[in-house]
Amino acid sequence: DARVTQTPRHKVTEMGQEVTMRCQPILGHNTVFWYRQTMMQGLELLAYFRNRAPLDDSGMPKDRFSAEMPDATLATLKIQPSEPRDSAVYFCASGLARGAIPSSSYEQYFGPGTRLTVT
Amino acid sequence: GNSVTQMEGPVTLSEEAFLTINCTYTATGYPSLFWYVQYPGEGLQLLLKATKADDKGSNKGFEATYRKETTSFHLEKGSVQVSDSAVYFCALGGATNKLIFGTGTLLAVQP
Repeated sequence: DARVTQTPRHKVTEMGQEVTMRCQPILGHNTVFWYRQTMMQGLELLAYFRNRAPLDDSGMPKDRFSAEMPDATLATLKIQPSEPRDSAVYFCASGLARGAIPSSSYEQYFGPGTRLTVT
Repeated sequence: GNSVTQMEGPVTLSEEAFLTINCTYTATGYPSLFWYVQYPGEGLQLLLKATKADDKGSNKGFEATYRKETTSFHLEKGSVQVSDSAVYFCALGGATNKLIFGTGTLLAVQP
């Protein structure tokens, strides 16, 4: 049963520290999404990759956040320096998009999330 | 712009009760519509979807019909179980690469 995996599942860190979250998308999927979920803001799209190329990171605070896909089996989301307001659950999702049809037309498979607490 | 509005929760029901969670949307063109479910401590998972007007998506006893005339995609289930307790998200896709989620509706089913 193919699943998206995320590590770590939980992370507690102090303000100012670097945080790296990792995601392994489902093998064969060509789209990867990073979301942040909080009670106040709900689900926010942070970044989106297709065929490993970053296509949209407009939802991400670029001064401290960065997202990369060093290869097809790994996506990373880094926060440096972290702040208490970054505390949230971060989800990675992957999917298989075809042709010119927008990726949002297809099912997204979510990982279990990384719960980040910044003190 | 495109948007999704779903009913505020929490929705509290007794087991075997009928469930409706309302979802309406605003969109140009012909979007795809989804219901995702999030169980406690887990990521979202697709519950059902519909890609064109009058399509009915169904899964695990849940149903939703894509109504273009009322711009709605209400989620229904005839008899809920305790195990259905979760947060349900209506979502709209297809206009851009970004999936637009509603705010989520918490469903609590009591035995």
